[in-house]
Amino acid sequence: GAGVSQSPSNKVTEKGKDVELRCDPISGHTALYWYRQRLGQGLEFLIYFQGNSAPDKSGLPSDRFSAERTGESVSTLTIQRTQQEDSAVYLCASSRTGGDQPQHFGDGTRLSIL
Amino acid sequence: GESVGLHLPTLSVQEGDNSIINCAYSNSASDYFIWYKQESGKGPQFIIDIRSNMDKRQGQRVTVLLNKTVKHLSLQIAATQPGDSAVYFCAENNGHSGGGADGLTFGKGTHLIIQP
Repeated sequence: GAGVSQSPSNKVTEKGKDVELRCDPISGHTALYWYRQRLGQGLEFLIYFQGNSAPDKSGLPSDRFSAERTGESVSTLTIQRTQQEDSAVYLCASSRTGGDQPQHFGDGTRLSIL
Repeated sequence: GESVGLHLPTLSVQEGDNSIINCAYSNSASDYFIWYKQESGKGPQFIIDIRSNMDKRQGQRVTVLLNKTVKHLSLQIAATQPGDSAVYFCAENNGHSGGGADGLTFGKGTHLIIQP
């Protein structure tokens, strides 16, 4: 079956521009997560959506970061006024439910801020 | 703060040998652990998970061991193959870490290198 799909796979933009990253989770998965991975590092949690509940935004690093999810489908992560420190791979994962369920990842969007 | 860490950044093993990758976690409230494999340019791939009510779980060629007394997790890979070359991450979910309600807290990873 189809896995988690992310687009674009690569994004290069100038400092100060806004970017929007997209995630299509595995069909039927109610939980969706966004992570950031800096070069050579582990993953940092950003935000978590579970069904129609209010998202857990505790990992968002600043108010320039926001995310939305429509129902139990597509999610978008938006970074406003990008800065060079935002350069990283942004990974999306989904799981069947929240809690102790394996999270399955997409291949990420590699974001480069010039 | 609480974190999940790896003992070694790089592990080099001979093809055919067994590999053991170690992980230490600091939050005794953690109740669910996962090992992921990440190849260059790809997202993390689920390998195996274990809940805190278990101390061992086996998959195909892989075994995860959990020692809650010393807060230690390990991944054993039997008969290592060239395709096992990747970075391996352990991750924990305790619902109260910096990973949010159900977000995972990841270690920095161990790069497994397979020597021919």
